[in-house]
Amino acid sequence: GAVVSQHPSRVICKSGTSVKIECRSLDFQATTMFWYRQFPKQSLMLMATSNEGSKATYEQGVEKDKFLINHASLTLSTLTVTSAHPEDSSFYICSASGEANEKLFFGSGTQLSVL
Amino acid sequence: SQQGEEDPQALSIQEGENATMNCSYKTSINNLQWYRQNSGRGLVHLILIRSNEREKHSGRLRVTLDTSKKSSSLLITASRAADTASYFCATASQGAQKLVFGQGTRLTINP
Repeated sequence: GAVVSQHPSRVICKSGTSVKIECRSLDFQATTMFWYRQFPKQSLMLMATSNEGSKATYEQGVEKDKFLINHASLTLSTLTVTSAHPEDSSFYICSASGEANEKLFFGSGTQLSVL
Repeated sequence: SQQGEEDPQALSIQEGENATMNCSYKTSINNLQWYRQNSGRGLVHLILIRSNEREKHSGRLRVTLDTSKKSSSLLITASRAADTASYFCATASQGAQKLVFGQGTRLTINP
């Protein structure tokens, strides 16, 4: 099956720093990538939909200046958490699809801890 | 907002027993999908059932879809300890780019 690689898997940073998370589709072209946030024992919360070559579409309540998304190629999307604070600590997951509404391929997630 | 609601929220059974999880949704869909998530990992796609299908099988998995009741069930037969994970349903609606995930069922298989 298709593979989505997400890095880093874990990051610990100081409050006020920015953190970049990468999501790559390794063996297919992902026209759309999605970024989620997940709290312990809860479901995924969609943050934004990222389309190659265009601006990301953010879900209501998600600060676009706080969570910068770049989808510069058909195989790479990045999420940058700017000026991270402890409340941004969470598990962030990306997913990619080749066809709309068909199955998604997920990265392995990034556990962000902001001290 | 999350469209899918799953029950039970948590399920604990003995190895070898069957596990059934249910998912309900609110709007018309193109397809419904089930995913599995091991703790601290990403999700893995299990099975997709389209709105014109009523039942689908994949190995030990059996999924049913009742569009009149807007509900789906996932049955795992002859469960194994390795099936311990969280299971999520997700719905795809016509014209929508994104999937909407349910709250998930945490399944524990006791050896």
